[in-house]
Amino acid sequence: IQMTQSPSSLSASVGDRVTITCQASHDINVYLDWYQQRPGKVPRLLIFDASHLEAGIPSRFSGSGSGTDFTLTISSLQPEDFATYYCQHYANVPYTFGQGTNLEIK
Amino acid sequence: EVQLVESGGGSVLSGGSLRLTCAASGFTFSSSSLHWVRQAPGKGLEWISYISGDSNIKYYADSVKGRFTISRDNAKNSLFLQLNSLRDEDTAVYYCARDRYGVHLVNWGQGILVTVSS
Repeated sequence: IQMTQSPSSLSASVGDRVTITCQASHDINVYLDWYQQRPGKVPRLLIFDASHLEAGIPSRFSGSGSGTDFTLTISSLQPEDFATYYCQHYANVPYTFGQGTNLEIK
Repeated sequence: EVQLVESGGGSVLSGGSLRLTCAASGFTFSSSSLHWVRQAPGKGLEWISYISGDSNIKYYADSVKGRFTISRDNAKNSLFLQLNSLRDEDTAVYYCARDRYGVHLVNWGQGILVTVSS
């Protein structure tokens, strides 16, 4: 299963609402997670099972979708949100990541 | 506190071998399934391997199948990745990760760099 994220990069301002999409090449139900990786840091889980917020993650992050089309939304960007975001499916092996979306400050 | 600490990385010639170790603490190791994920310099994340708590189930990405071997020692709270027949494209930071319910990568090590050169 191939995972395709769009856009690959995105420039936005603090306070903006941002949406990142992830498309699977086959139906993956809701077997999708979203990760954030800040520069020089390890990835951290944001959203699991497509729409469930991981403990400790701010509520401005949300996820939606099922089947082949998924979105990650950040409702009001904060300075610490500028990072790279990855989707990953776990419908079957291999648990492929998307190529990443680099969210930059405008 | 959950801690995962990788070691064993370094520089190796193409065709060579390395053994990575991930030392774990802060959770019941034998009950936890674990993964290896890698990231080439300036590139994205690539999932490469999984092992169940009892070592009975192992999975690999096609890119490493037949060359890399995942294993664990529950008595020593350690996860391993044996890297054989290394290629230039295996150059990456290698992360070990603990999952929840076999899939969600909830804890990550700091990563260890493996550099393969020809």
